[in-house]
Parts: sequence; structure tokens; C-alpha cells
Amino acid sequence: GQNIDQPTEMTATEGAIVQINCTYQTSGFNGLFWYQQHAGEAPTFLSYNVLDGLEEKGRFSSFLSRSKGYSYLLLKELQMKDSASYLCAVRDSNYQLIWGAGTKLIIKP
Amino acid sequence: IAGITQAPTSQILAAGRRMTLRCTQDMRHNAMYWYRQDLGLGLRLIHYSNTAGTTGKGEVPDGYSVSRANTDDFPLTLASAVPSQTSVYFCASSLAGEGDTQYFGPGTRLTVL
Repeated sequence: GQNIDQPTEMTATEGAIVQINCTYQTSGFNGLFWYQQHAGEAPTFLSYNVLDGLEEKGRFSSFLSRSKGYSYLLLKELQMKDSASYLCAVRDSNYQLIWGAGTKLIIKP
Repeated sequence: IAGITQAPTSQILAAGRRMTLRCTQDMRHNAMYWYRQDLGLGLRLIHYSNTAGTTGKGEVPDGYSVSRANTDDFPLTLASAVPSQTSVYFCASSLAGEGDTQYFGPGTRLTVL
């Protein structure tokens, strides 16, 4: 079966750095997405990786290793507004997105 | 309209009733999707449409139907609602060629009693 694993919950301190890991086992691979979802709101797009390596976008970076079936989202200089769930999703061989259950990130002052 | 809209925002429905969730996008995206989101689970695809006039089944299609008469609208119908369909429903759309990034509507919170 297809499976996306990410930690259920993480806690970090304002101003610090946090890394959210995602491992996947899917039928085929056509890209990996990270979305942010604040409580009660819709998911919003953060990043997309299709080749191995690091993609940087301001305070957020995303890394992909296709051989290891592994990605991480790195958030730097954490702000209280970063408190949200972070969803990892893989596009499979049918070009459908398979979603992880999300990682709830709690930021403490 | 800017982006994707969904209606209603929330609804309480008696079991056995028919319900249509509406979704409209003004981005001229060719592909549209319906997901449900339940606590502790990832988003699960119900139905999708790659282009107007075509639809396909996702991971959890039973009890739901969709239509895509034009580019902008993609309604989701529950023919006879059951309590297990209590969930938050998100509509999304994407434009092929942008890495197929999906953009989401604000969601409909549906409770079936």
C-alpha cells in the first residue's frame, strides 16, 4: 500500500529552527509537496520538490532524497504565526496526491 | 470571486437527506478535486476532474457523485447522507504545467446526524 509518515506533533521555541520529517512509500513518484494548514483553514502551498536536493524559499526550505523516500521541511527564525499543521503529500504514478496526516507544530514564546 | 469558493461554510444534515456541496473557481484551472479531511487522517481524494466533461473516482468515492459541466464549477453530491460522511470537505483546483500545484477552497464542515 501507499504510505506517508510524519510526526503527529512537534514543539519548538520562537526564534528557533525546526525540521519536520516525511518518509514515503508510494507507487511511483512524481513530486513531493509541503502545505501549511492553520486550524480551521484550508491548506496553502509551501513548496514542491521533484529532484533531489534543497529548495529554499525565505525562512522555509524543503529537502528531498528520492533514493531514501525522505523529505524534510526546515523552518528558520520561527514566529508564533508558524503554529500550524504541516502536510506532506506525494504525487504517485497516477498523478494523484497521497497525503500524510500532518504534523501539528506548536510554537512557544 | 478570487480563487476558489465553497458553499455552504457549514451544514448540519439529517441522515438520509440529499446534499450538494458547491465549488466554484475563477482561475481557469482545468483540474478540480474533492477531498475529505478527518481528524488523524490525511486528506483523502473523493472524486476528481481533469477537464470539463470528465470525472474520475478517487480513494473514497462511495456515497458521493460529481459533475463537471463547465470549467468553473464542480459540485459534490451526497445522495443519501450517513453519519460516517461527517467531515470537512475541501475543493481544490490545479493548472497542469505548474507542477500541478493544488489550490484549496475554504472548506465545508458537514455534520450528519
